[in-house]
Order: sequence, then C-alpha cells, then structure tokens
Amino acid sequence: DPKIIQKPKYLVAVTGSEKILICEQYLGHNAMYWYRQSAKKPLEFMFSYSYQKLMDNQTASSRFQPQSSKKNHLDLQITALKPDDSATYFCASSQEWTEYEQYFGPGTRLTVL
Amino acid sequence: GDSVTQTEGPVTVSESESLIINCTYSATSIAYPNLFWYVRYPGEGLQLLLKVITAGQKGSSRGFEATYNKETTSFHLQKASVQESDSAVYYCALGDNTNTGKLTFGDGTVLTVKP
Repeated sequence: DPKIIQKPKYLVAVTGSEKILICEQYLGHNAMYWYRQSAKKPLEFMFSYSYQKLMDNQTASSRFQPQSSKKNHLDLQITALKPDDSATYFCASSQEWTEYEQYFGPGTRLTVL
Repeated sequence: GDSVTQTEGPVTVSESESLIINCTYSATSIAYPNLFWYVRYPGEGLQLLLKVITAGQKGSSRGFEATYNKETTSFHLQKASVQESDSAVYYCALGDNTNTGKLTFGDGTVLTVKP
C-alpha cells in the first residue's frame, strides 16, 4: 500500500485559476514538505512543516499556500496560476523536522495552459 | 546558496560493468552537510538509496557505495557490477543541517543498463 498519497496524479488548469494539490502520509511522520520539479530543473524545496506548523518557506510567491488540516495532511493551494507553475509537485515526509531522510510521494504533474 | 552538481546523463553501461556517477557539492550554510543519494525507478516514486552524515564515512545499499569526501566536497556513487534492474534516475542531494528540512538536489542522472 502506498505510504504517501498525492492526488490527483495529473492536473490541467487554465491561467488565472486556482488548484489544490492533496497530500496524505501514512508513515506516522511528524514533518512534511513540498518540492517542485520543473522541466529540466532539479527538485526545488518549497515548504517544510512540523506538527502542522510552518517551519520554512522558500517560495518567492504568496500564491503558494500550504494547508495542514491534520498532522498527516499537507495540501498545497496555488492561486492565480501561471504557465510557469507547470511542474511536478512532490510531497515528502520525515519522522521529525530535523531529519533529512525524507520519503517522497509519487507527485502531481500540473500543466497550466 | 547550496548547490549539487552531478554527472550529466544519460549514462549507458552494460550489465556487469562498473559504474561511477560523480557528485560534488557546495554548501554555503554549513561546513559538513548531510549527503544523500536518491533513486527513481521507472514508474515509481523517489526513494532514498543511501545516506552519510559524517565526513569521511561511507554509505552502502543494494551494492552501491558512496564516500563523503570533505576535502574534495564529493560524494560519488559507485557500483562494481551493475544489473539491468539498476536502470533508473539517480539524484545526489544535500541536507544543510540548519534545521529547515531542506534538501538540495542535483539535476539527476539517467542510467540505462544494457543486458
């Protein structure tokens, strides 16, 4: 059974719209993260959460807002979508925030037209 | 900021040949970061292959090895004899130990092992 679930697997959106990417982890971890991988670029760290509290935000835009309704959930809301937001978004988790051994979900591939 | 540079792919080797994927890093926030190799097999998600958190130590998993060399700021991935099932994308990554949980990744190296 998958331990980190990301939904949807693929997502197509129009410029200016808003989307929410879902992430749930069933590893019992206390820290969760979002990363992004655009075409021909490395995985890029976006956010880290620990016990549902934002610990680090390295995105330049407020259009990206993580939302944690439960300890094992960390969704990503993206507003006013732009074509440059097209990427695969990966959710990850680790036992604690100070641990770098992170487990990754399968990703959500977002295409903005 | 921190950066990781690894062998530009794609890399193609024949089964039972040896393999080395180079990785060098630059850590501006800390002298001795944690170092990792992650792997993505076809159709699967990214998974941790091995990690080393102490300079001078070697990590190993599934026949792969990597040694943390702080003098050359390198963490090359090696395997003595590859198998077709090793075909995957390999990522070198750095954890900066500043308690952000942030991993900095290299671009990834696509490895194809021919039977």
